[in-house]
Amino acid sequence: EAGVTQSPTHLIKTRGQQATLRCSPISGHTSVYWYQQALGLGLQFLLWYDEGEERNRGNFPPRFSGRQFPNYSSELNVNALELEDSALYLCASSLVRDSVSNQPQHFGDGTRLSIL
Amino acid sequence: GQQLNQSPQSMFIQEGEDVSMNCTSSSIFNTWLWYKQDPGEGPVLLIALYKAGELTSNGRLTAQFGITRKDSFLNISASIPSDVGIYFCAGRIAIGSSNTGKLIFGQGTTLQVKP
Repeated sequence: EAGVTQSPTHLIKTRGQQATLRCSPISGHTSVYWYQQALGLGLQFLLWYDEGEERNRGNFPPRFSGRQFPNYSSELNVNALELEDSALYLCASSLVRDSVSNQPQHFGDGTRLSIL
Repeated sequence: GQQLNQSPQSMFIQEGEDVSMNCTSSSIFNTWLWYKQDPGEGPVLLIALYKAGELTSNGRLTAQFGITRKDSFLNISASIPSDVGIYFCAGRIAIGSSNTGKLIFGQGTTLQVKP
């Protein structure tokens, strides 16, 4: 069974540009989560998508946005890039059968975003 | 803000030794997860815990969900060189019966094993 796949592996942008990161969940998983792992700050929750809808977002500005497609894959878009956006962006997926489901999240290997 | 305090921050041990790390919080959690992250890779799930007092093993790894629901520990027995990496605890805060989808992560424990 294929795991969570993310692309690209690395992305280099300059300040003010826009970045698009992609994620394909494990087959059968309907929920996709995005996390930012900046150096020294640990993993910070960004967004949760399930069944095409945004279910929750973390404490990040609106220039961080995304969407989930009918095949459950997802995009994370970051507009007006700033130097501090340099980080590893991790996508995770899980099953969500109901509103109280506590299914574990399985992670991809991330996209390393570098802002010059 | 919501925080998980993970300790120790780093460990340097001899191959064959046992390892213990833990996470504590001021909030009550309904799920505890332990992950391992190797350089250049994403976190890999090691153990998932869902009930207070639950003790679960995965090979040489054992983890427990604290009775107070505010803490968890992970033990690694008879460490080997491939245990090297960063170990993260993560949890979901209990907010009624709702699932927020959000995992809160500890800062990680970096484990180095000397052969």
